[in-house]
Amino acid sequence: GGIITQTPKFLIGQEGQKLTLKCQQNFNHDTMYWYRQDSGKGLRLIYYSITENDLQKGDLSEGYDASREKKSSFSLTVTSAQKNEMAVFLCASSPDKHSGNTLYFGEGSRLIVV
Amino acid sequence: QQKVQQSPESLTVSEGAMASLNCTFSDGTSDNFRWYRQHSGKGLEMLVSIFSDGEKEEGRFTAHLNRASLHVSLHIREPQPSDSAVYLCAVSMDSGYNKLTFGKGTVLLVSP
Repeated sequence: GGIITQTPKFLIGQEGQKLTLKCQQNFNHDTMYWYRQDSGKGLRLIYYSITENDLQKGDLSEGYDASREKKSSFSLTVTSAQKNEMAVFLCASSPDKHSGNTLYFGEGSRLIVV
Repeated sequence: QQKVQQSPESLTVSEGAMASLNCTFSDGTSDNFRWYRQHSGKGLEMLVSIFSDGEKEEGRFTAHLNRASLHVSLHIREPQPSDSAVYLCAVSMDSGYNKLTFGKGTVLLVSP
């Protein structure tokens, strides 16, 4: 078995601030994802990475940067936090990019902008 | 762009009664369908995945897929109060790098 660890669990920042969320997985999975979950809107894909040093934009990438410097970690940066970005951010990993593989999710990081 | 819609938005059932949740999708070339569960403040737990028309059972959870009708459902047999959670339908396509498109979820409450 393995686990996905997201830090921090709560991230409080000021409007306009650059804020970073981190995700670590010990499954040795190739592919990792960042999703944003807004109340009443479901999950939307921000960025994904097929392998180390690869980055692919999802449907909601504007205003975000991502980094995959190691196979086990995938970080997401909010480049300029806005109050309408308060949401839960979920990291996931999958053995590889092929459809049908299970995605394993972390417990989420909640972003609060004051 | 793929659209995934779930119904009902919320559902209350009594403990032991069957719970049925629905999901429709817009892209008929989709070929992977999954049901996840999310307890409050927790991550997503995968319940069942289905790739071909028909049904697939995983314990008390059964998914039914009818690709021609663009419909996939989840049935929960003998639900318990601990099954109270948000249930999410997710759809992906073979060429899509395993990217999932999610519905907004159904809130299930199982009353004792």
